[in-house]
Amino acid sequence: AQRVTQPEKLLSVFKGAPVELKCNYSYSGSPELFWYVQYSRQRLQLLLRHISRESIKGFTADLNKGETSFHLKKPFAQEEDSAMYYCALNWIQGAQKLVFGQGTRLTINP
Amino acid sequence: GAGVSQSPSNKVTEKGKDVELRCDPISGHTALYWYRQRLGQGLEFLIYFQGNSAPDKSGLPSDRFSAERTGESVSTLTIQRTQQEDSAVYLCASSLGGTIAYEQYFGPGTRLTVT
Repeated sequence: AQRVTQPEKLLSVFKGAPVELKCNYSYSGSPELFWYVQYSRQRLQLLLRHISRESIKGFTADLNKGETSFHLKKPFAQEEDSAMYYCALNWIQGAQKLVFGQGTRLTINP
Repeated sequence: GAGVSQSPSNKVTEKGKDVELRCDPISGHTALYWYRQRLGQGLEFLIYFQGNSAPDKSGLPSDRFSAERTGESVSTLTIQRTQQEDSAVYLCASSLGGTIAYEQYFGPGTRLTVT
C-alpha cells in the first residue's frame, strides 16, 4: 500500500545551519512526490515537486528511488522557514489523490 | 482571482447532529478534493471529484459521510449523526484536474468540533 513517512514530528535548527527534513515512501508504481508547506496562519501550499527539479526558497529535494526517499534540504536555514512541512505522494490508481505524511514542524532558532 | 474558500471556518456541534461543510473551488478547476486532519496527525484523503463525479470515495470513513458537487463548482461534505471522533479540520483543495498531477490549491479549512 502507498505510504509516506516523515520520521521527525519536530525539528529545530539554528539560523544559518543546514536543514534536512526526511521523507520516505512506499509505492509500487512510479511515484510523483511533493513537499507542501504551511506557514503560521496561512494555507497549505505547494513548495516543490520532484518532476520540476527546481529550487524554491533555497529548498531542494531529490528523489532517490533506491532508498525510496525524497528528503527536503536547505543549506542555510532562515527564520522565515519556520513552518509545518508535509511530504506527499500522488497516487493515481483509479483516482488522483495525495497521500500525506504526518508532517514535520520546523523551527528555526535565531 | 480568489482562492479556494470554505465555510464555515469554525463549527461546533453536538454529538448526533448533522453538519454540512461547503467548499468553493477556484473557477475553472475541474478537480476537487476533501481531506481531513485530526489533531497531531497528517492529512487524510476523503474523496475526489473530477467534474461532478466522484471516481474514488474510498477515503470516506463511514456511511455517515457523504459529499456532492454540483455544476463543477461548489461541493458539500455532509456528516450525519456526528461523533466526537469526527472532530478535525476539514480541508478542501482544487486543481486543474485531468490525468496529470496538477498542483492542488487548498482552502483555509473548516474546524469541526463535536461536543
